Amino acid sequence: QQPVQSPQAVILREGEDAVINCSSSKALYSVHWYRQKHGEAPVFLMILLKGGEQKGHEKISASFNEKKQQSSLYLTASQLSYSGTYFCGTVDILTGGGNKLTFGTGTQLKVEL
Amino acid sequence: NAGVTQTPKFRILKIGQSMTLQCTQDMNHNYMYWYRQDPGMGLKLIYYSVGAGITDKGEVPNGYNVSRSTTEDFPLRLELAAPSQTSVYFCASSLDGSSYNEQFFGPGTRLTVL
Repeated sequence: QQPVQSPQAVILREGEDAVINCSSSKALYSVHWYRQKHGEAPVFLMILLKGGEQKGHEKISASFNEKKQQSSLYLTASQLSYSGTYFCGTVDILTGGGNKLTFGTGTQLKVEL
Repeated sequence: NAGVTQTPKFRILKIGQSMTLQCTQDMNHNYMYWYRQDPGMGLKLIYYSVGAGITDKGEVPNGYNVSRSTTEDFPLRLELAAPSQTSVYFCASSLDGSSYNEQFFGPGTRLTVL
């Protein structure tokens, strides 16, 4: 069962902030975030591990609530280049060996002038 | 470094035909993955490999086969193409199986089965 993301879609004006949520029904070891522009490959943004360790780009921030199996990606002072579809990918504790990701449903983000 | 490369970029197959999607990485990564992405959907794992000679099934392996004879290459084989296999196929690699390592994706192969 894939993680559920919310919102499904959001439109921002340049400079506005947004939060994208990812929720899983499974106990998670880690959450990965990727951005995909239309017709392109997903690009890595952030990894959050159980226990609090994080790895990612400086301008991206995210949180991981291990008890609720939820993660949120925070996009601040949005730019036109932030437009795309955002996916979370989860590694669950029971079956996630080998860094196997289960990707979420996706959130379409559009930033306008 | 070229990263992860995939060929072809586009392909149209007739029902019942076979083809191999090629994937090569030059980052000396041990782990490689094949995903499919249907229109408007997330990616689903087809097969993965933890090293040369070792492969395992993902979430949606039916209708596909893989092999990994070298660290660099991880081809995906479709034996009897069906319309349900119309999708965009992405190959990815990561340094190892640690969840601390991100996956690097190739540009994708857009496959249509008619």
